[in-house]
Amino acid sequence: AQSVTQLGSHVSVSEGALVLLRCNYSSSVPPYLFWYVQYPNQGLQLLLKYTSAATLVKGINGFEAEFKKSETSFHLTKPSAHMSDAAEYFCAVSGKRGYSTLTFGKGTMLLVSP
Amino acid sequence: GAVVSQHPSRVICKSGTSVKIECRSLDFQATTMFWYRQFPKQSLMLMATSNEGSKATYEQGVEKDKFLINHASLTLSTLTVTSAHPEDSSFYICSARQGFDTEAFFGQGTRLTVV
Repeated sequence: AQSVTQLGSHVSVSEGALVLLRCNYSSSVPPYLFWYVQYPNQGLQLLLKYTSAATLVKGINGFEAEFKKSETSFHLTKPSAHMSDAAEYFCAVSGKRGYSTLTFGKGTMLLVSP
Repeated sequence: GAVVSQHPSRVICKSGTSVKIECRSLDFQATTMFWYRQFPKQSLMLMATSNEGSKATYEQGVEKDKFLINHASLTLSTLTVTSAHPEDSSFYICSARQGFDTEAFFGQGTRLTVV
């Protein structure tokens, strides 16, 4: 079975500061990993995904994530936070090899202060 | 990415009535659609998986007679909440994918409030 743990239900940063959202996964097969962003009362927007190619993945809006197999981690980072980054972020892992049913973490709310 | 549209985005219904939520893939044919439920400040929980032309596969604990899922065409799946009660109030999100090993795309969600 696969699972995702997101450390910290809330992360607060100042505008311009580094954003780091943590995600650790458990999977019995090489995983596909995803980061999604959700704004209030909206669906999920894909930020980036890891599909067994390059371990450093660049996504939209300046976000990137690094797949570290030894640490079973897929942390999301952005060098400089913007007010518009304030949202809920979900890490997800595919259930089987390749694209499959997703298992989501509990989410991390990113708060950005001026 | 591909576009998945949900309708309505918000709905309020009276307790005891039924409400239908539509999920459409606008620019691709979706062989599989997924329905999720999200409680306030919580993660997405998979309710069921539907393949076009087949009966939906429900996750453990999800009442199939209460949450009726129909996936009659390659571009449309519907979720009907029957005899809705206030505890069914939630945010429902669908996703759709074209093939077995392809990425799934999410709709914008439907906020259901049962009064």
